[in-house]
Amino acid sequence: DVKVTQSSRYLVKRTGEKVFLECVQDMDHENMFWYRQDPGLGLRLIYFSYDVKMKEKGDIPEGYSVSREKKERFSLILESASTNQTSMYLCASKWSTSDYGYTFGSGTRLTVV
Amino acid sequence: GNSVTQMEGPVTLSEEAFLTINCTYTATGYPSLFWYVQYPGEGLQLLLKATKADDKGSNKGFEATYRKETTSFHLEKGSVQVSDSAVYFCALSDLGNTPLVFGKGTRLSVIA
Repeated sequence: DVKVTQSSRYLVKRTGEKVFLECVQDMDHENMFWYRQDPGLGLRLIYFSYDVKMKEKGDIPEGYSVSREKKERFSLILESASTNQTSMYLCASKWSTSDYGYTFGSGTRLTVV
Repeated sequence: GNSVTQMEGPVTLSEEAFLTINCTYTATGYPSLFWYVQYPGEGLQLLLKATKADDKGSNKGFEATYRKETTSFHLEKGSVQVSDSAVYFCALSDLGNTPLVFGKGTRLSVIA
């Protein structure tokens, strides 16, 4: 089975900190995605990457950046964490030519205090 | 742009009841349609999919039929179990690498 692993399940950070959320997949998927999930808002796309060193903004990129130096790893960076970034963050991946949908990680619940 | 609208929850059913969760979509092309499920404390899992009109996706007793004429992909199950309690997301993907667009999710609670 494809595995998408998010490094932390729960994270508590202070306002203003730089935060790194890591995501690793083990199936050589080209495409990787970061979403945030909030009650009543569903999943919203933050950033995605079609391949190594490539990145595209999603619907809500403000306050975030990403890094994809290796194919298996896609990092989400909160440059200066704020309380409105408290959320569940979900990483996903898929093959570029696949129509089989995404494989998701278990999520990181981030609390910014 | 593309969008997905699904019925708001929460939905509470008794065990063995019939389930329908409505999903309609707006897309410029001919999208693939998906249902994902999120069990408590977990990420999303693909439940079923359909890639063209009149296709029926099915898995674990759940079914959904791709209806182009009504732009719908309603999720159904004939007899729900307590273990089906989860949040269900309808989603679409339009051509190749375009990111999935999700509905807001519908929380289902099944009581014994």
